[in-house]
Amino acid sequence: GQNIDQPTEMTATEGAIVQINCTYQTSGFNGLFWYQQHAGEAPTFLSYNVLDGLEEKGRFSSFLSRSKGYSYLLLKELQMKDSASYLCAVRDVDQAGTALIFGKGTTLSVSS
Amino acid sequence: DTEVTQTPKHLVMGMTNKKSLKCEQHMGHRAMYWYKQKAKKPPELMFVYSYEKLSINESVPSRFSPECPNSSLLNLHLHALQPEDSALYLCASSPGGLTGELFFGEGSRLTVL
Repeated sequence: GQNIDQPTEMTATEGAIVQINCTYQTSGFNGLFWYQQHAGEAPTFLSYNVLDGLEEKGRFSSFLSRSKGYSYLLLKELQMKDSASYLCAVRDVDQAGTALIFGKGTTLSVSS
Repeated sequence: DTEVTQTPKHLVMGMTNKKSLKCEQHMGHRAMYWYKQKAKKPPELMFVYSYEKLSINESVPSRFSPECPNSSLLNLHLHALQPEDSALYLCASSPGGLTGELFFGEGSRLTVL
């Protein structure tokens, strides 16, 4: 089965940089995804890693180390609107085919 | 069109009612999913349809019955639900292979009285 761990809560101030870590254990790993979810809204896709290394997309970057079962999401130049839940999700083809299995999410609070 | 559309957005039903949630996408995706999300919890996978065939059922009670009439539509039929089934039901789609993200709809918020 899967075991996906990420911190429950994090706080940061506007303009700062924050790193949200995620560790996972899977048998059929085929990609790690980060989603953002504001309260009462649907998850929106942020990034996808299937090979080791860093993927950068504007203020957001995501890193993957498959050998360590580890990923992080890096958010730069934080804005108040970045206050949301950040969900780490894994595609494990052995367990769920093309579906994603989500970690419990990290609630990020950005203050001024 | 990069949207997944879900209807209704809100639904209140009694424990003896029969209702359906509907989901539609026109991105040509061949995999569609139902997830259930309780407050302050992550989405939990319920069902996966791949090329219009049910490929995964995550031990969901039979009071939830999925249906995929065609490659663009996904329904979730609800019957004899319990108050603990109250949640946000999210539909998602993906291209169908082992690459690409899931696109989520806005969800249907269900309240069972």
